[in-house]
Amino acid sequence: NAGVTQTPKFQVLKTGQSMTLQCAQDMNHEYMSWYRQDPGMGLRLIHYSVGAGITDQGEVPNGYNVSRSTTEDFPLRLLSAAPSQTSVYFCASSSEQTHTDTQYFGPGTRLTVL
Amino acid sequence: GDSVTQMEGPVTLSEEAFLTINCTYTATGYPSLFWYVQYPGEGLQLLLKATKADDKGSNKGFEATYRKETTSFHLEKGSVQVSDSAVYFCALKTGGGNKLTFGTGTQLKVEL
Repeated sequence: NAGVTQTPKFQVLKTGQSMTLQCAQDMNHEYMSWYRQDPGMGLRLIHYSVGAGITDQGEVPNGYNVSRSTTEDFPLRLLSAAPSQTSVYFCASSSEQTHTDTQYFGPGTRLTVL
Repeated sequence: GDSVTQMEGPVTLSEEAFLTINCTYTATGYPSLFWYVQYPGEGLQLLLKATKADDKGSNKGFEATYRKETTSFHLEKGSVQVSDSAVYFCALKTGGGNKLTFGTGTQLKVEL
């Protein structure tokens, strides 16, 4: 099992550019999430999905879009990048809806917006 | 809403010292509590968890006890090593779904 994979590892964008951060998992997990990590703020939830075709907003969704066409993939789209979106982005997945379940994280994508 | 408060870092210790990282929480309902660790340049890994009051989670010499009366989940280790240098996040999850609420993280540096 590769677990949760993310690409790219690093990315530099100019303000206004668009891009897609890729996330895939091979554990057949129903639940997937995107977080951003900023200094002094921990991780904050951007969007999440409870299964293919179902997505919902998290704490900080503005400026980001997601879709979930398959169980395995959960891409995060930045339509018009802004410097405030400079951050480290983590994708996570988990298998069950119970509150006891563990989330598994990918290695992260470090994004810089100039 | 739910929130997690953990002690400010960075924490610098000598090898073999005793470690405590404090974590307290506010939550509606009965949360599960987690400690995640992030080693330099890597993603987050689950270190330990506890799913009900008085449970003790343990892994790799680290321990934390779910204290409902004090709404706390402090992380402890009796003898830290240089390889324990990392950022430690306390987190909680309530109800269904997969939304974790994180603390701000505590950086630990262990020196020889």
